[in-house]
Amino acid sequence: GAVVSQHPSRVICKSGTSVKIECRSLDFQATTMFWYRQFPKQSLMLMATSNEGSKATYEQGVEKDKFLINHASLTLSTLTVTSAHPEDSSFYICSASIAGLHTGELFFGEGSRLTVL
Amino acid sequence: EDQVTQSPEALRLQEGESSSLNCSYTVSGLRGLFWYRQDPGKGPEFLFTLYSAGEEKEKERLKATLTKKESFLHITAPKPEDSATYLCAVQARGFQKLVFGTGTRLLVSP
Repeated sequence: GAVVSQHPSRVICKSGTSVKIECRSLDFQATTMFWYRQFPKQSLMLMATSNEGSKATYEQGVEKDKFLINHASLTLSTLTVTSAHPEDSSFYICSASIAGLHTGELFFGEGSRLTVL
Repeated sequence: EDQVTQSPEALRLQEGESSSLNCSYTVSGLRGLFWYRQDPGKGPEFLFTLYSAGEEKEKERLKATLTKKESFLHITAPKPEDSATYLCAVQARGFQKLVFGTGTRLLVSP
């Protein structure tokens, strides 16, 4: 099956620092990647849709300048949490759809747990 | 606005005790309804996609069904390894993003 890899799986940082999370599609090309956030015992909330070579589309209420998304190639998207604060602590998950596949299935990474002290 | 509601929030079963999970949805033109399994601290693992009312899909002890308003995930003779959170999501026509429900946390005791 399609494999999506995220790195790092866990990161702890001090308040005010920036953290970058990588999402890679290992065995397929992904024209579109999605970034979700999940708080404990809550559902996955879509943050933004990332299209290769173009600017990301952010969901209402998600700060563009806070959560920087770059989708520079068909296999890599990055999420940078800038000037992180404790309220940004969460589980961040990326997903990708296979280019040219019209079944709509999304494949998810293993997630990255961010803890901001 | 597309919405997904899952019930129950949590379910505890004995090994071998069959049951069903419910996913009610409203969407402006359904492209697909998806079921995922999520283990603690992990990303969701794809289980099924259903596209039209009346469709059914099976995988081992799991069977998913779809109507115009809801989907059921039937678990037959569950085992402890089936313990996980089961997520339902809908995808509207013309969109790729998924809208998720809050999930059902299933615990199967031996």
